[in-house]
Amino acid sequence: EPEVTQTPSHQVTQMGQEVILRCVPISNHLYFYWYRQILGQKVEFLVSFYNNEISEKSEIFDDQFSVERPDGSNFTLKIRSTKLEDSAMYFCASTEADSYEQYFGPGTRLTVT
Amino acid sequence: AQTVTQSQPEMSVQEAETVTLSCTYDTSESDYYLFWYKQPPSRQMILVIRQEAYKQQNATENRFSVNFQKAAKSFSLKISDSQLGDAAMYFCAYTGSNYKLTFGKGTLLTVNP
Repeated sequence: EPEVTQTPSHQVTQMGQEVILRCVPISNHLYFYWYRQILGQKVEFLVSFYNNEISEKSEIFDDQFSVERPDGSNFTLKIRSTKLEDSAMYFCASTEADSYEQYFGPGTRLTVT
Repeated sequence: AQTVTQSQPEMSVQEAETVTLSCTYDTSESDYYLFWYKQPPSRQMILVIRQEAYKQQNATENRFSVNFQKAAKSFSLKISDSQLGDAAMYFCAYTGSNYKLTFGKGTLLTVNP
């Protein structure tokens, strides 16, 4: 069964460093999402992406964040200058066209020290 | 803005018994989807069941079923014949016209042998 994959599974970085989290959505999916879950809290929407542009973004998704689909398969989330409060689990998700059902990847645990 | 409320931070059930997890939501949209996601300790988000708002019939998936009360904006999850593997955090989630998921804070389910 096709699945969303994410790399790395765990990333440790120092405050102020740039990180890139990578996702490979399911191949025929057209809508892509990033969500964040701070430990012990609920999952929060960050951004949605369709047709090579951002469809919607949350208040969390400020100028430090960016997303990109550099080729036909990868979907990346970049954090330019990480802060301690960026430590969280980051989930990528994707959907087919005209579908509400999102398939989640296993997540990347980001630890900022 | 849509909101999702899960009023039970923790629930416990005996193995083989039935448990119901509560969820209420608020929206002004008429067309939307509701979901229950399971998050085991591995933190992968696993879709358990979904309900289309336009369908009156409650969704069922094997031991999992929902009680969808549209007028009351209530969407509870019933787990029958609970198994040890059902122990996890359960999130209720909503999606509407903007396709982004809004999650509740979650209910931690413990299954006692």
